[in-house]
Amino acid sequence: TQLLEQSPQFLSIQEGENLTVYCNSSSVFSSLQWYRQEPGEGPVLLVTVVTGGEVKKLKRLTFQFGDARKDSSLHITAAQPGDTGLYLCAGAWDTGNQFYFGTGTSLTVIP
Amino acid sequence: ETGVTQSPTHLIKTRGQQVTLRCSSQSGHNTVSWYQQALGQGPQFIFQYYREEENGRGNFPPRFSGLQFPNYSSELNVNALELDDSALYLCASSLDPGTYTGELFFGEGSRLTVL
Repeated sequence: TQLLEQSPQFLSIQEGENLTVYCNSSSVFSSLQWYRQEPGEGPVLLVTVVTGGEVKKLKRLTFQFGDARKDSSLHITAAQPGDTGLYLCAGAWDTGNQFYFGTGTSLTVIP
Repeated sequence: ETGVTQSPTHLIKTRGQQVTLRCSSQSGHNTVSWYQQALGQGPQFIFQYYREEENGRGNFPPRFSGLQFPNYSSELNVNALELDDSALYLCASSLDPGTYTGELFFGEGSRLTVL
């Protein structure tokens, strides 16, 4: 059982389209991170958000932390084939950096 | 700066056997976390080691155990292997716990298949 549910589980879109991935929980987190994982590799950190309502932008990626710090979203503008991968959210409490990962969203961007 | 390295990369075992997976943490990192990742799913937290002591554990049975050595490298041991233990086992190193904004640096994982 995972504390963080992501939706959609799978997403296949054409290059240039926009998309949003959601990460939801009934728990309040001290911080939430987003990672991307490519086949045969470990996850790589994209962003960390810690304040309710916080919005961070990383080039074409926009991350938002919910006001209640229970949910988050990742929006990608004008998706590119290089964005293909498994996107994972991960939440932590202030007891330490023990991160609990979401169920994952597998994104495929078709050229 | 050396990244996180794991060994072996792939291995096959049969039910009931025991396995040991190894992880060398990134230079300067004293905390190691282990995760189990089933195909297409998110990693599940097994446990974390900080300065050679277990510092938190997820919902895994006692047959999953670990060690951390003075050089901060770590081992994950699984006894009495079951078919459901087939997964990618990821090791992640980080700086001191208590920094909940800290970044996890992952290795490429050890793919375990139990037949």
